[in-house]
Amino acid sequence: EADIYQTPRYLVIGTGKKITLECSQTMGHDKMYWYQQDPGMELHLIHYSYGVNSTEKGDLSSESTVSRIRTEHFPLTLESARPSHTSQYLCASSEYGAGGSGELFFGEGSRLTVL
Amino acid sequence: QKEVEQDPGPLSVPEGAIVSLNCTYSNSAFQYFMWYRQYSRKGPELLMYTYSSGNKEDGRFTAQVDKSSKYISLFIRDSQPSDSATYLCAMAEGGATNKLIFGTGTLLAVQP
Repeated sequence: EADIYQTPRYLVIGTGKKITLECSQTMGHDKMYWYQQDPGMELHLIHYSYGVNSTEKGDLSSESTVSRIRTEHFPLTLESARPSHTSQYLCASSEYGAGGSGELFFGEGSRLTVL
Repeated sequence: QKEVEQDPGPLSVPEGAIVSLNCTYSNSAFQYFMWYRQYSRKGPELLMYTYSSGNKEDGRFTAQVDKSSKYISLFIRDSQPSDSATYLCAMAEGGATNKLIFGTGTLLAVQP
């Protein structure tokens, strides 16, 4: 069982609201990731982090931002939510990263609906 | 063209059947090949991991990689209703990159 937690699991909000999706892991992994998953589409990497104070944008353009001030915590923030942000957001962590042994441990996801 | 192509299904089989799931890819630099399983309303979990070409077996599951054809497969023997899930292939170049490239996933339903 992976020790990575996401809150909230489900969120319905109005356009223009600021939201933060929380992600925490207790495995001490340096590498953390945010993926976006839409039905019938592949997972798209939107942000990743190699460690504290290190964040990078992924391949999919996103209006969200992330921070990494503690190893175990990697929150994702949308300053002004829009209907186009409606999606499932998956957080993951890894000890070695995709270029090493490859295993990413995923949270259960945060399903965001923006009205 | 997508780097990784995967038939989204859905695929419906009777219990006990042999299931074959496949992905093709275009990036010859991929060296690490994975299959993740995702149950409904859950995050993906690693099922099989293979480095470079060859076969790997784990219980009822066998992963195959054919780098010359840029083709990977996952076989499930004696399929069970509990195998009903979405199966995602994923690949990485390795080295300094931290990026996994995922397929769209194949939805599998095993009927009792």
